[in-house]
Order: sequence, then structure tokens, then C-alpha cells
Amino acid sequence: DAGVTQSPTHLIKTRGQQVTLRCSPKSGHDTVSWYQQALGQGPQFIFQYYEEEERQRGNFPDRFSGHQFPNYSSELNVNALLLGDSALYLCASNLAVGVETQYFGPGTRLLVL
Amino acid sequence: KQEVTQIPAALSVPEGENLVLNCSFTDSAIYNLQWFRQDPGKGLTSLLLIQSSQREQTSGRLNASLDKSSGRSTLYIAASQPGDSATYLCASPRGKSSGDKLTFGTGTRLAVRP
Repeated sequence: DAGVTQSPTHLIKTRGQQVTLRCSPKSGHDTVSWYQQALGQGPQFIFQYYEEEERQRGNFPDRFSGHQFPNYSSELNVNALLLGDSALYLCASNLAVGVETQYFGPGTRLLVL
Repeated sequence: KQEVTQIPAALSVPEGENLVLNCSFTDSAIYNLQWFRQDPGKGLTSLLLIQSSQREQTSGRLNASLDKSSGRSTLYIAASQPGDSATYLCASPRGKSSGDKLTFGTGTRLAVRP
């Protein structure tokens, strides 16, 4: 049973560029959430997708956008990258119905130069 | 708005010692409280989940307690081992579902010395 997978594992971009991160949820899960974790901080919620729609959103600018596909996988897009976007980006999945916790992927480490 | 605080930020103990990590939250109407482990540069592993109706949960050498009235949760690690070295994070969902956005503390970085 595959857990949450993310790609790529590491990424280096320069300011102003755009980046796309990908996430495949745990088998059987239908909801995907994205978190940003800066060095030494706890993860901060970016947004959540369910049934291919953004269901919840945290306090992040419109430069951060996402998408969920019919197979429940998801993408996180960040436009006009800033140095401050350097962080570990975590994807989590869960089943919309139930009390089970969210399962987290290994993350994508983004460095913006 | 839920705020979660963890003290201490870092802790170093000798192997074999029992230790307690603290987590404080401002909104006592939480749905549950979760403890996660994070190894350097890695994702999060769920350790324990305490529902709002529960007082504690145990898994092996780990015991987590929840006191909603005081806005506190503790993670007790018995007989610590070097393999326990990691960052420990507590988190609570915003709403009435484990799938709701999680609000995290900043974590406690634990080092267990051989």
C-alpha cells in the first residue's frame, strides 16, 4: 500500500521563476492538503483540495495555486518566486469521511536563489 | 484563531532518561490533538492522536495526555534512546474533522546522547 508520494524531492529555482510540485495521495484517500514549512518552523497550511476544488485556503497570496486531478493527485504551483518561498513543501492526504489523521509525504525541498 | 506553542524549543538528554514535551493551545474547543515526529529534512510521521473526549493515548514508550481546560498536552517518552532524536510537533485541526487544516506548533528538537 503506497503512502503519500511527492516529486521532485529537491528543486532549485531563481527569483521570478515558476515552479510546480506534485503529490500522489495515499491509496484510498480523496483529499489533499499542502503545507509550507520554513526552516525551524512548524508547517503552515496553504490549501486543501477535494473533488477537484479548493475547499480551504490558508493565508497565502494568489501566487500559490493548485489543482486536483480526477485520480485525486494534486499539483502546487508557485508563480513569481521570492527568496522567502524557500521551504519544505509537504503534501498530506486523508479520506474526507472519517476520523483518521492526515498522512504526510516526504516533502519537496525548494530553494530559491 | 487557534495558536499552538511548544516548549522547550530544543532539548538534549542522556540516553535512558524519561522526558516530557509540552504543547499549549489557546482554543479549548479542539476536535483532537496530534503529535508528529519529523526527522531532519523529512516528512511527518503521526505518533499519537487524542480525541477531545479522551485524556490520554499510549503507544509503546510514548504517552500523550490532553487537558482541554488548561489548554495543554504533554508527550511523555520513557527510557529515551538515540533513535528518538528528532523534532516533535503537536497540531490541532481547525474544525470538527481530522481532515481540517492543521495548526502546528513550532516543534521541540530533541537530541538523545548515547
